[in-house]
Amino acid sequence: SYELTQPPSGSVSPGQTATITCSGDNLGDKYVSWYQQKPGQSPVLVLYQDTKRPSGIPERFSGSNSGNTATLTISETQAMDEADYYCQAWDNAVVVFGGGTKLTVL
Amino acid sequence: EVQLVESGGDLIHPGGSLRLSCAASGFTFKNYNINWVRQAPGKGLEWVSHISGTSSIIYYADSVKGRFTVSRDNAKNSVYLQMNSLRDEDTAVYYCVRYYGGNEPLDYWGQGTLVTVAS
Repeated sequence: SYELTQPPSGSVSPGQTATITCSGDNLGDKYVSWYQQKPGQSPVLVLYQDTKRPSGIPERFSGSNSGNTATLTISETQAMDEADYYCQAWDNAVVVFGGGTKLTVL
Repeated sequence: EVQLVESGGDLIHPGGSLRLSCAASGFTFKNYNINWVRQAPGKGLEWVSHISGTSSIIYYADSVKGRFTVSRDNAKNSVYLQMNSLRDEDTAVYYCVRYYGGNEPLDYWGQGTLVTVAS
């Protein structure tokens, strides 16, 4: 079965740029979505089709996807961005999630 | 406003059964697929099941295949997850999630309902 791999954790200082990676075989051939989940809350879609932001998601969230790696980039990171982030792709019409990355804003 | 509201979560003994419901509003329900995604305490997201708008296409994760059954009633704007032969490892918050299809994302998530399997 298809697997997506994320680093379990990462940290960033306020105002700096955070990058979270998601790796999978030929992931660049698939569309990737990213979800943000804060403690006690449901996941929220922050990026889809690699680079698109849903309405209401700040411009500081951006993404890329090429080769075997998709990347979520958060520019000018704020304390409110501290959360778990999950990448997601489709494999033969089935949803696949990465293991999640806990982003700490120090 | 799009809303997905799950219900039916409970404390259940191993081997027992439970039926979860997901009530949808704020969109044309029959036009959307619905996925169930679960999250064990302190763990990541795990996809469970998919049902298409017409119920013609249904998928299950291997971990629940043969034990869980997904269905929907478009007249009631509702999706159901019948869970049988429950195991400790089924303990999780269960989310229903809207998905239009194709390359679209899982765009709206319910608040989740907690299923606890324990003796």
